[in-house]
This record gives sequence, structure tokens and C-alpha cells, in this order.
Amino acid sequence: GENVEQHPSTLSVQEGDSAVIKCTYSDSASNYFPWYKQELGKGPQLIIDIRSNVGEKKDQRIAVTLNKTAKHFSLHITETQPEDSAVYFCAASRTNFGNEKLTFGTGTRLTIIP
Amino acid sequence: DTAVSQTPKYLVTQMGNDKSIKCEQNLGHDTMYWYKQDSKKFLKIMFSYNNKELIINETVPNRFSPKSPDKAHLNLHINSLELGDSAVYFCASSQGEGLRIQYFGAGTRLSVL
Repeated sequence: GENVEQHPSTLSVQEGDSAVIKCTYSDSASNYFPWYKQELGKGPQLIIDIRSNVGEKKDQRIAVTLNKTAKHFSLHITETQPEDSAVYFCAASRTNFGNEKLTFGTGTRLTIIP
Repeated sequence: DTAVSQTPKYLVTQMGNDKSIKCEQNLGHDTMYWYKQDSKKFLKIMFSYNNKELIINETVPNRFSPKSPDKAHLNLHINSLELGDSAVYFCASSQGEGLRIQYFGAGTRLSVL
């Protein structure tokens, strides 16, 4: 089955700086890579996703890059703000029409230092 | 008008008891999921149902039994609770063909004493 590794497990950055979180996956058939943000006491919320036919996707301060050959993808947050502090999860799955199983990374606790 | 709602939010119980967690989604989705998040924040899928039919059943003790009375509901019943069952349980739902965005509930924190 799929195995997703995520690094680093904790990350502290100064407000205004950039943060980068990296994930690798093992199943070359995986074709969907979402990123979720989990705030304290809440469920994970999708912040951005990328499909395997795209190398990069950007949404305001958040961007995701995908390298299918190397089987890794990364989350980039620019101009970080205190509200970006949360646990971030990467995930991977393959299309299976009703049988998709998201395999999550182990999470990164991001702390933005004011 | 919460999209995916779980009840209860907190559940404290003794070892050996039987308990249920309920989940409802008002998004009109056809697939629902249960995930377990352990104390190290690791999220792992347990079950998924598509149109009330069990699709994914990971290696979960048979003390855990999901039930989907209709597309909008997926409940989780746990028999003979053990200390190791303590975790946060998340319900999620998704819709559509192909790659599906999953929407998560706020979670149920289960503590087994």
C-alpha cells in the first residue's frame, strides 16, 4: 500500500518568513495530493490540492509543487502570519471511483513566531 | 448549518463499555469515512461507505462496527472498549467521480479509563 513520509515534524518560522513542508510517497499510481490544515480542537480542512497532471499550483500565499519522477511534493507558505500556526498534513491517493483511500503523512506542527 | 457534524464531541467511558459515535453530513455527498487520530496526531482511515455500501475496511478490530442507515449518516459503534481505543475519531464525506475532496467533521475525543 501507499506510504507517505512528511518532514519536518515541527517547524518554527518568524512572521513574514516562508515555510516549506515536504512529503514523499511510495505508490507511483497515486494521482491526487491534498494538503490539510488542522487547527487546535478542529477537524482537518483542505487548503490546497494538486493532481498528477500538474506540476505546480498556487492560491494566494500558498503553493504546492509536485515532482512525479521523484515522488515528492511540497507545500510552500509565503509571508506567514500568526493564523498559519497549525498542524499541516499532506496526503496521497489514487482514483478508484468510490474507493479512494487518503493516506496521510505524519503531520507538521507549524508555529509562527510574532 | 455545519457540513459534517459528529456527536458527541467528547466521550469519557470505562473499559469494557459499548459506545456509539454519530455522524451526519448535509452536503449531499455519497461517500462517508471514519478516521482515527492517535495521540501523536497520526490520521488513519478505518472505514468508508459509498451509497450505504462498505467500500473500505482497514485492519480494524471487529469490535468496531460502522453502520450507514442512509447516505447522509455513518455511525460508529464500538464494543468492549479498550484503553488503546482512546483517540480522536473523525468523520468525513466526499462526492463525485474521480478525485474527491474530503470534508471532515470536528472530531470526537474518546477517552477510555
